[in-house]
Amino acid sequence: IQMTQSPSSLSASVGDRVTISCRASQSIRSYLNWYQQKPGKAPKLLIYAASHLQGGVPSRFSGFESGTDFTLTISSLQTEDFATYYCQQSYRTPITFGQGTRLEIK
Amino acid sequence: QVQLQESGPGLVKPSETLSLTCTVSGDSLITSSWSWIRQPPGKGLEWIGKIYYSGTTEFNPSLKSRAIMSVDTSTNQFSLKLSSVTAADTAMYYCARKTREPYYFDSWGQGILVTVSS
Repeated sequence: IQMTQSPSSLSASVGDRVTISCRASQSIRSYLNWYQQKPGKAPKLLIYAASHLQGGVPSRFSGFESGTDFTLTISSLQTEDFATYYCQQSYRTPITFGQGTRLEIK
Repeated sequence: QVQLQESGPGLVKPSETLSLTCTVSGDSLITSSWSWIRQPPGKGLEWIGKIYYSGTTEFNPSLKSRAIMSVDTSTNQFSLKLSSVTAADTAMYYCARKTREPYYFDSWGQGILVTVSS
């Protein structure tokens, strides 16, 4: 199953509302997870099952699904949110990730 | 709290076998499935495969049957062997825990950089 993220990179300012999209090549039901990765670190789970916030993750992060389209929204960007974000499907093996969206400071 | 730690050689010669071990603390291997995921420098994430405590495995077909995984429940470790490596296998290798339904990677090791070079 191919996961296509957009955009591949994004420049934004602190306080901005940002949305990252991920499209699956076929139905994956709600088996979609979002991760944040900072340089030199392992990915960190943000959202699981499309819209469920992982414990300890700030509520400014949210996820939404519509068919095979999924979005990750950050309601008000903070300095610590500048990182790379990946979507990942766990509906069917092989497990696949999107190519990533690099979120940079404008 | 579960912790995962990768270990193994950081340098492997072309055509040889890459061998890595992940040590799990704070959880039993019985509870979940355990995966290896890699990330070439500057690139995205690729799932390599997973193993259950029973020893059942599943791999990414992209690896063309070069991967083997094993589990040692007595030491709470699981391992990866990747044969016939080339420069394209140079990557950061992560081990991770995948929960049961609805299946997500909630715990990751810090990663180990493996370089394939003569």
